Amino acid sequence: KAGVTQTPRYLIKTRGQQVTLSCSPISGHRSVSWYQQTPGQGLQFLFEYFSETQRNKGNFPGRFSGRQFSNSRSEMNVSTLELGDSALYLCASSPAGREETQYFGPGTRLLVL
Amino acid sequence: GESVGLHLPTLSVQEGDNSIINCAYSNSASDYFIWYKQESGKGPQFIIDIRSNMDKRQGQRVTVLLNKTVKHLSLQIAATQPGDSAVYFCAELESGGSYIPTFGRGTSLIVHP
Repeated sequence: KAGVTQTPRYLIKTRGQQVTLSCSPISGHRSVSWYQQTPGQGLQFLFEYFSETQRNKGNFPGRFSGRQFSNSRSEMNVSTLELGDSALYLCASSPAGREETQYFGPGTRLLVL
Repeated sequence: GESVGLHLPTLSVQEGDNSIINCAYSNSASDYFIWYKQESGKGPQFIIDIRSNMDKRQGQRVTVLLNKTVKHLSLQIAATQPGDSAVYFCAELESGGSYIPTFGRGTSLIVHP
């Protein structure tokens, strides 16, 4: 099976812009989670989607949002970008019944200037 | 062990040595633990897991030890190879909870040939 894929892999934006990141989970996985990884804060949970519904949410401002489509693909959006949003954004998918085991994609490296 | 702030703790070993990476977890209700390996430019990769009803679990060249009394987890890598060079994260979860892992800050393992 193909692994989790994320697009784009690298992105440069300026403050105030918005960005949309995409994640395709492993075939058959219905749970998709998003994380932000920075040197200062480590891996922080953003949100988790299951069957097109947001099931869990981390402590991030409303500028961070996401959605999941019927084919389990997911997108996350960050509006009004700030310099501090520069990070590696990781997507992970999990098989049904084994949601605690997450398979990560390679991430999208976002740089906000 | 775990770090606070920007700098990851680093473990430097010679090829062929055994490596021990430590992790202190915070939630006494956590009952499922996972070790991940993250190589440069990649997302975290599952290595091995352990449930709280076990003290030790072995995989291929890796062993995880769990001490619930002091909330401590360790990952032992036998005959460390240059390809083991990466950042290693522990993650804790509470079964019956949200399936969202809490990640430690990570330890950087450097293997010298």
